[in-house]
Amino acid sequence: GAVVSQHPSRVICKSGTSVKIECRSLDFQATTMFWYRQFPKQSLMLMATSNEGSKATYEQGVEKDKFLINHASLTLSTLTVTSAHPEDSSFYICSARQNIQYFGAGTRLSVL
Amino acid sequence: GESVGLHLPTLSVQEGDNSIINCAYSNSASDYFIWYKQESGKGPQFIIDIRSNMDKRQGQRVTVLLNKTVKHLSLQIAATQPGDSAVYFCAENLSYQLTFGKGTKLSVIP
Repeated sequence: GAVVSQHPSRVICKSGTSVKIECRSLDFQATTMFWYRQFPKQSLMLMATSNEGSKATYEQGVEKDKFLINHASLTLSTLTVTSAHPEDSSFYICSARQNIQYFGAGTRLSVL
Repeated sequence: GESVGLHLPTLSVQEGDNSIINCAYSNSASDYFIWYKQESGKGPQFIIDIRSNMDKRQGQRVTVLLNKTVKHLSLQIAATQPGDSAVYFCAENLSYQLTFGKGTKLSVIP
């Protein structure tokens, strides 16, 4: 199946710093990518839909100024968690669709 | 942060037995359904999908059943193996957006 690469797999940062997570579609072009957040023992919650060349569409309750999304090319979308705080600690997962929606391996963010 | 006290439904199955994981979906207009497997610390992995105009689809060792009347989806795993231990999520698609169910943790007893 198609491959979606996500980097980094784990990041630990101090409160107040910003963290960038990259999501790449390795063998296909994706005009749309998706960013999810997952708390322990819970399901995936869609945060935003990333659209190549245009603004991302955020789900209700997700702060767009907090979670900056850039989809600058057909194979790369980035999520930047700005001024991260401990409550932002979570598992972030991206996905891209090529007939089927494929997922990256996820990024474990821990904010101290 | 973590929700204290929240836990996933768990299904424990003896190795070699068949597993049945159930899911209720919410939107009768959903046109496509997918089962994903998620191992600890990893992203979801596609298992099998089914369109709303079908009621059954079979893959290798897996079968998905769809009952639109009661908005119910099930995943059957034949001859369950230790490597099948994971959390399984169903997802429903509407307008190219997936909504995930709560998930079921499958534990295979060797």
